[in-house]
Amino acid sequence: GQSLEQPSEVTAVEGAIVQINCTYQTSGFYGLSWYQQHDGGAPTFLSYNALDGLEETGRFSSFLSRSDSYGYLLLQELQMKDSASYFCASRNDMRFGAGTRLTVKP
Amino acid sequence: DTGVSQDPRHKITKRGQNVTFRCDPISEHNRLYWYRQTLGQGPEFLTYFQNEAQLEKSRLLSDRFSAERPKGSFSTLEIQRTEQGDSAMYLCASSLREGYEQYFGPGTRLTVT
Repeated sequence: GQSLEQPSEVTAVEGAIVQINCTYQTSGFYGLSWYQQHDGGAPTFLSYNALDGLEETGRFSSFLSRSDSYGYLLLQELQMKDSASYFCASRNDMRFGAGTRLTVKP
Repeated sequence: DTGVSQDPRHKITKRGQNVTFRCDPISEHNRLYWYRQTLGQGPEFLTYFQNEAQLEKSRLLSDRFSAERPKGSFSTLEIQRTEQGDSAMYLCASSLREGYEQYFGPGTRLTVT
Protein backbone atom coordinates (compact mmCIF):
# COMPACT_ATOMS: atom_id res chain seq x y z
CA GLY A 1 0.00 0.00 0.00
CA GLN A 2 0.93 3.64 0.03
CA SER A 3 2.92 4.69 3.08
CA LEU A 4 5.70 6.91 4.35
CA GLU A 5 7.87 5.68 7.20
CA GLN A 6 9.99 7.86 9.46
CA PRO A 7 11.47 7.45 12.94
CA SER A 8 9.16 8.50 15.74
CA GLU A 9 11.72 10.41 17.80
CA VAL A 10 15.18 11.95 17.47
CA THR A 11 17.19 13.78 20.13
CA ALA A 12 20.22 15.99 19.52
CA VAL A 13 22.12 18.82 21.19
CA GLU A 14 22.33 22.45 20.22
CA GLY A 15 24.78 23.13 17.43
CA ALA A 16 24.72 19.55 16.19
CA ILE A 17 23.53 18.11 12.87
CA VAL A 18 20.60 15.73 12.68
CA GLN A 19 19.20 13.68 9.80
CA ILE A 20 15.57 12.56 9.67
CA ASN A 21 14.94 9.74 7.22
CA CYS A 22 11.83 8.92 5.25
CA THR A 23 11.15 5.84 3.17
CA TYR A 24 8.07 5.70 1.04
CA GLN A 25 5.86 3.45 -1.00
CA THR A 26 3.51 5.38 -3.22
CA SER A 27 2.27 5.18 -6.77
CA GLY A 28 2.68 7.95 -9.30
CA PHE A 29 5.38 9.62 -7.24
CA TYR A 30 5.77 13.36 -7.92
CA GLY A 31 8.17 14.31 -5.16
CA LEU A 32 8.74 14.49 -1.44
CA SER A 33 7.96 17.46 0.78
CA TRP A 34 8.97 18.23 4.34
CA TYR A 35 6.92 20.12 6.90
CA GLN A 36 7.65 21.36 10.42
CA GLN A 37 5.03 21.52 13.14
CA HIS A 38 5.53 23.02 16.58
CA ASP A 39 3.27 21.87 19.40
CA GLY A 40 -0.08 23.58 19.06
CA GLY A 41 0.82 25.02 15.67
CA ALA A 42 0.04 24.26 12.06
CA PRO A 43 2.43 22.46 9.71
CA THR A 44 4.67 24.81 7.76
CA PHE A 45 6.45 23.96 4.53
CA LEU A 46 10.22 23.49 4.69
CA SER A 47 11.50 21.89 1.51
CA TYR A 48 10.62 19.87 -1.57
CA ASN A 49 12.48 17.42 -3.83
CA ALA A 50 11.08 16.48 -7.21
CA LEU A 51 14.34 15.10 -8.55
CA ASP A 52 17.19 13.11 -7.04
CA GLY A 53 19.76 15.06 -5.12
CA LEU A 54 20.15 17.65 -2.43
CA GLU A 55 18.14 20.85 -2.01
CA GLU A 56 19.57 23.39 0.43
CA THR A 57 17.60 26.12 2.15
CA GLY A 58 19.63 27.82 4.85
CA ARG A 59 20.25 25.47 7.75
CA PHE A 60 17.86 22.89 6.28
CA SER A 61 18.62 20.56 3.40
CA SER A 62 16.57 17.76 1.91
CA PHE A 63 17.70 14.82 -0.17
CA LEU A 64 15.84 12.41 -2.42
CA SER A 65 16.77 9.13 -4.07
CA ARG A 66 13.86 7.91 -6.17
CA SER A 67 15.56 4.63 -7.03
CA ASP A 68 15.79 3.84 -3.31
CA SER A 69 12.36 5.37 -2.45
CA TYR A 70 14.18 7.28 0.26
CA GLY A 71 14.70 10.82 1.36
CA TYR A 72 15.96 12.72 4.34
CA LEU A 73 15.85 16.11 5.98
CA LEU A 74 19.13 17.44 7.32
CA LEU A 75 19.11 20.11 9.97
CA GLN A 76 22.41 21.83 10.73
CA GLU A 77 23.52 24.11 13.58
CA LEU A 78 20.57 22.96 15.63
CA GLN A 79 18.82 25.53 17.78
CA MET A 80 16.38 25.04 20.63
CA LYS A 81 13.61 26.47 18.45
CA ASP A 82 14.06 23.54 16.06
CA SER A 83 12.39 21.27 18.62
CA ALA A 84 9.24 20.27 16.75
CA SER A 85 7.70 17.46 14.75
CA TYR A 86 8.85 16.96 11.19
CA PHE A 87 6.76 15.26 8.53
CA CYS A 88 7.64 13.94 5.11
CA ALA A 89 4.79 14.00 2.63
CA SER A 90 4.23 12.73 -0.87
CA ARG A 91 3.24 15.44 -3.33
CA ASN A 92 0.86 13.45 -5.48
CA ASP A 93 -1.54 11.97 -2.94
CA MET A 94 -1.20 14.41 -0.07
CA ARG A 95 -0.13 11.61 2.26
CA PHE A 96 1.95 12.44 5.32
CA GLY A 97 4.21 10.28 7.45
CA ALA A 98 3.44 9.92 11.15
CA GLY A 99 6.13 12.45 11.98
CA THR A 100 9.47 12.56 13.76
CA ARG A 101 9.57 14.42 17.03
CA LEU A 102 12.89 16.25 17.33
CA THR A 103 14.07 17.32 20.75
CA VAL A 104 17.04 19.69 20.88
CA LYS A 105 18.83 19.76 24.22
CA PRO A 106 21.23 22.42 25.51
CA ASP B 1 0.64 34.24 9.45
CA THR B 2 0.15 31.93 6.44
CA GLY B 3 -3.03 33.65 5.30
CA VAL B 4 -5.29 30.60 5.66
CA SER B 5 -7.95 31.10 8.30
CA GLN B 6 -10.28 28.62 9.94
CA ASP B 7 -13.35 29.10 12.06
CA PRO B 8 -14.06 28.18 14.76
CA ARG B 9 -10.72 27.42 16.40
CA HIS B 10 -12.35 25.17 18.97
CA LYS B 11 -15.63 23.28 18.99
CA ILE B 12 -17.08 21.14 21.74
CA THR B 13 -20.17 19.19 20.81
CA LYS B 14 -22.21 16.31 22.10
CA ARG B 15 -22.25 12.99 20.34
CA GLY B 16 -24.91 12.89 17.66
CA GLN B 17 -24.84 16.60 16.89
CA ASN B 18 -23.84 18.09 13.53
CA VAL B 19 -20.92 20.48 13.22
CA THR B 20 -19.68 22.69 10.39
CA PHE B 21 -16.23 24.21 10.00
CA ARG B 22 -15.16 26.97 7.65
CA CYS B 23 -11.87 27.53 5.85
CA ASP B 24 -10.80 30.66 4.00
CA PRO B 25 -7.76 29.93 1.82
CA ILE B 26 -5.19 32.35 0.47
CA SER B 27 -7.13 34.27 -2.15
CA GLU B 28 -5.23 33.32 -5.30
CA HIS B 29 -4.89 29.65 -4.39
CA ASN B 30 -6.85 27.24 -6.56
CA ARG B 31 -6.40 24.15 -4.45
CA LEU B 32 -7.92 23.60 -1.03
CA TYR B 33 -7.35 20.56 1.16
CA TRP B 34 -8.90 19.19 4.33
CA TYR B 35 -6.98 17.00 6.76
CA ARG B 36 -7.62 15.46 10.13
CA GLN B 37 -4.85 15.14 12.70
CA THR B 38 -4.80 13.28 15.99
CA LEU B 39 -2.13 13.49 18.67
CA GLY B 40 1.17 12.00 17.61
CA GLN B 41 0.11 11.43 14.03
CA GLY B 42 0.63 13.21 10.76
CA PRO B 43 -2.18 14.97 8.94
CA GLU B 44 -4.58 12.46 7.39
CA PHE B 45 -5.94 13.47 3.99
CA LEU B 46 -9.72 13.86 3.82
CA THR B 47 -10.54 15.64 0.58
CA TYR B 48 -9.42 18.36 -1.81
CA PHE B 49 -10.83 20.87 -4.26
CA GLN B 50 -9.58 22.41 -7.47
CA ASN B 51 -11.54 25.66 -7.53
CA GLU B 52 -15.13 24.57 -6.79
CA ALA B 53 -14.69 20.98 -7.95
CA GLN B 54 -14.15 18.29 -5.32
CA LEU B 55 -11.58 16.07 -7.04
CA GLU B 56 -10.86 13.43 -4.47
CA LYS B 57 -12.29 12.13 -1.25
CA SER B 58 -10.46 9.71 1.02
CA ARG B 59 -11.90 6.23 1.17
CA LEU B 60 -11.48 6.51 4.92
CA LEU B 61 -14.06 9.30 4.99
CA SER B 62 -17.48 8.10 6.01
CA ASP B 63 -20.73 9.34 4.51
CA ARG B 64 -21.20 11.50 7.60
CA PHE B 65 -18.54 13.86 6.26
CA SER B 66 -19.24 16.31 3.47
CA ALA B 67 -17.32 19.26 2.13
CA GLU B 68 -18.17 22.08 -0.23
CA ARG B 69 -16.42 24.95 -1.92
CA PRO B 70 -19.36 26.60 -3.64
CA LYS B 71 -17.68 29.52 -5.37
CA GLY B 72 -14.13 28.30 -5.44
CA SER B 73 -13.19 30.48 -2.49
CA PHE B 74 -14.03 29.46 1.08
CA SER B 75 -14.87 25.87 1.97
CA THR B 76 -16.99 24.18 4.61
CA LEU B 77 -16.59 20.76 6.17
CA GLU B 78 -19.67 19.27 7.82
CA ILE B 79 -19.74 16.26 10.10
CA GLN B 80 -23.16 14.80 10.75
CA ARG B 81 -24.08 12.69 13.78
CA THR B 82 -20.70 13.20 15.41
CA GLU B 83 -19.01 10.33 17.22
CA GLN B 84 -16.33 10.41 19.88
CA GLY B 85 -13.87 9.08 17.34
CA ASP B 86 -14.32 12.29 15.35
CA SER B 87 -12.47 14.22 18.05
CA ALA B 88 -9.36 15.59 16.34
CA MET B 89 -7.77 18.69 14.88
CA TYR B 90 -9.24 19.50 11.46
CA LEU B 91 -6.73 21.29 9.27
CA CYS B 92 -7.32 23.18 6.08
CA ALA B 93 -4.56 24.00 3.61
CA SER B 94 -4.36 25.73 0.27
CA SER B 95 -1.86 25.79 -2.57
CA LEU B 96 -1.44 27.90 -5.66
CA ARG B 97 -1.92 24.95 -7.96
CA GLU B 98 -1.11 21.25 -8.25
CA GLY B 99 2.36 20.37 -7.04
CA TYR B 100 2.96 23.56 -5.10
CA GLU B 101 3.57 23.70 -1.37
CA GLN B 102 0.59 23.76 0.92
CA TYR B 103 -0.09 26.53 3.40
CA PHE B 104 -1.96 25.36 6.47
CA GLY B 105 -4.48 27.17 8.60
CA PRO B 106 -4.41 27.05 12.42
CA GLY B 107 -6.97 24.25 12.53
CA THR B 108 -10.26 23.62 14.28
CA ARG B 109 -10.01 21.41 17.34
CA LEU B 110 -13.15 19.30 17.70
CA THR B 111 -14.04 17.59 20.95
CA VAL B 112 -17.02 15.25 20.94
CA THR B 113 -18.33 14.44 24.41
